Amino acid sequence: KAGVTQTPRYLIKTRGQQVTLSCSPISGHRSVSWYQQTPGQGLQFLFEYFSETQRNKGNFPGRFSGRQFSNSRSEMNVSTLELGDSALYLCASSVGTGGLNEQYFGPGTRLTVT
Amino acid sequence: SQKIEQNSEALNIQEGKTATLTCNYTNYSPAYLQWYRQDPGRGPVFLLLIRENEKEKRKERLKVTFDTTLKQSLFHITASQPADSATYLCALDPSMESNTGKLIFGQGTTLQVKP
Repeated sequence: KAGVTQTPRYLIKTRGQQVTLSCSPISGHRSVSWYQQTPGQGLQFLFEYFSETQRNKGNFPGRFSGRQFSNSRSEMNVSTLELGDSALYLCASSVGTGGLNEQYFGPGTRLTVT
Repeated sequence: SQKIEQNSEALNIQEGKTATLTCNYTNYSPAYLQWYRQDPGRGPVFLLLIRENEKEKRKERLKVTFDTTLKQSLFHITASQPADSATYLCALDPSMESNTGKLIFGQGTTLQVKP
């Protein structure tokens, strides 16, 4: 079974631009969660989607948004990029929602904002 | 405030010894804890989940304990090998019902096993 895939793997953007990251979950997984990882803050939860609905949201500004499609693939968008948005963005999929479900992480998208 | 704390300093041990990593949490009452392994440049990989009513859980050379009174989980790797070198993260669902998909992660402890 193929793992979680994320595209692109690396991205360089300029302050003020916007970016869209994509995540394809493991086949059969209906929940997709997004995390931001930085050396200073570690792994921080952004949001979770289940069956095309956002179930949970972390403490991030409204510039961070996401969506999930009927095939469970998910995208996240960051508008008006700031230098502090430079991070590794990870998505994770699980069969169902709820923390008792083991999460499978993708390799991440490394975003650099200059 | 709510937080999860793991040993911030790297843990260096000799091959064959047992590595013990600590995860402490405050102001949470999680129904379970998860442990993940992360290698440089890669996403975390799930290792073990332990529920609040399970004092100990084992998987091959891995053992996790969960003490809800101390608000602490310990993660042990016995007969450690250089291939065990990685960052280990603990995570929990902060909701009382533990039914959200939101995981809060500790900062992770980097383990270095020397041959």
